[in-house]
Amino acid sequence: DVKVTQSSRYLVKRTGEKVFLECVQDMDHENMFWYRQDPGLGLRLIYFSYDVKMKEKGDIPEGYSVSREKKERFSLILESASTNQTSMYLCASSVGGDLAKNIQYFGAGTRLSVL
Amino acid sequence: QKEVEQNSGPLSVPEGAIASLNCTYSDRGSQSFFWYRQYSGKSPELIMFIYSNGDKEDGRFTAQLNKASQYVSLLIRDSQPSDSATYLCAVVPSGYSTLTFGKGTMLLVSP
Repeated sequence: DVKVTQSSRYLVKRTGEKVFLECVQDMDHENMFWYRQDPGLGLRLIYFSYDVKMKEKGDIPEGYSVSREKKERFSLILESASTNQTSMYLCASSVGGDLAKNIQYFGAGTRLSVL
Repeated sequence: QKEVEQNSGPLSVPEGAIASLNCTYSDRGSQSFFWYRQYSGKSPELIMFIYSNGDKEDGRFTAQLNKASQYVSLLIRDSQPSDSATYLCAVVPSGYSTLTFGKGTMLLVSP
């Protein structure tokens, strides 16, 4: 079974704090993704990575950065958390290849509250 | 433009009925289409994907794609209460390599 593990299930942070969300997958997947999910807005892609050290912006990258130093780990960084970043954050991974890369396996999610 | 539209629901069906979930997309050049299921409080999981016009069946699930009408649907036969969830349609628009998700349709199957 594919396992995508997100380091925290719930997080509460203060406005202006630097926040790290960690994601680890154990299936040697090439691709990793960070989404946020908000009621009424659905699932939106923040950043993705198709290889170590590689990152690409998704649809809503503003206010976020990412790091992928190792194949199995993809970190989402909120440089200075704001209240509008309160959301459910979902990490996903997939194998390489044009067809397979969108067969994604999701972690359990991190519910972040910024106060 | 890469919009994916779904009726938010809830779609209510009795146990044993066929549930029909619909999705339209704006980019005519979209090539691949996915259905994910998300139980309340859980993360999405893939049910099916379809690339070619027509029907694709997997157990009780059938995905239907009509590229001319820019329409993809998911049929669930013999619906069970355990099918109650939000169903997310996702599309890969032309010129993109990643998924664009619809907002999802909530399905409620009553015993």
